[in-house]
Amino acid sequence: NFILTQPHSVSESPGKTVTISCTRSSGNIASNYVQWYQQRPGSAPTTVIYEDNRRPSGVPDRFSGSIDSSSNSASLTISGLRTEDEADYYCQSYDTTTQVFGGGTKLTVL
Amino acid sequence: QITLKEPGPTLVKPTQTLTLTCTFSGFSLSSSGVGVGWIRQPPGRALELVALIYWDDDVRYSPTLKSRLTITKDTSKNQVVLTMTNMDPLDTGTYYCVHRRVSPASWFDPWGQGTLVTVSS
Repeated sequence: NFILTQPHSVSESPGKTVTISCTRSSGNIASNYVQWYQQRPGSAPTTVIYEDNRRPSGVPDRFSGSIDSSSNSASLTISGLRTEDEADYYCQSYDTTTQVFGGGTKLTVL
Repeated sequence: QITLKEPGPTLVKPTQTLTLTCTFSGFSLSSSGVGVGWIRQPPGRALELVALIYWDDDVRYSPTLKSRLTITKDTSKNQVVLTMTNMDPLDTGTYYCVHRRVSPASWFDPWGQGTLVTVSS
């Protein structure tokens, strides 16, 4: 099994760009796709990125995902921050036997 | 349109057994690659996959909860049932029913609205 580690919290101002990292503890980050979910207070999670860098229909292109094999990590980047982006964000990946979620990152848009 | 619905809030006593039924629509759990799972979230904490059942009856359980869990499906009723024995206050949280997407990746979308499970005497 492996662990996905995220920063506990990040904050940035409206209009700016923020990046949230997700580091895989063992195994190659590129071996299995990474997904990102947004969870607003009191709501169920929704997908903002799947298969490392693909956006579901309806998710604005301000959201993007990437993989960096050198640091064995995935990243979610949100540009042109809006107050509505304030939420918890979770990365998720898997291997042949298990599904793993990161611990979540609380994004505050100041 | 895919939808999944969990039951209303549940209160169980410690050591009792929890049974949750997810009723879904918009897809068939007999289609290749499809899965339905339960993901939980303790108050203020992260998401955790509890159990997942696939179209071919293959199941996956959380390693830490495995001995307490059973997940089954009724394809004719479009339902998935999770049973968790020996409930503990640490099992308190929101339990989400999720659809596992058929794609090169293994991911969950959409999610049900969630149901609050409270374990207390």
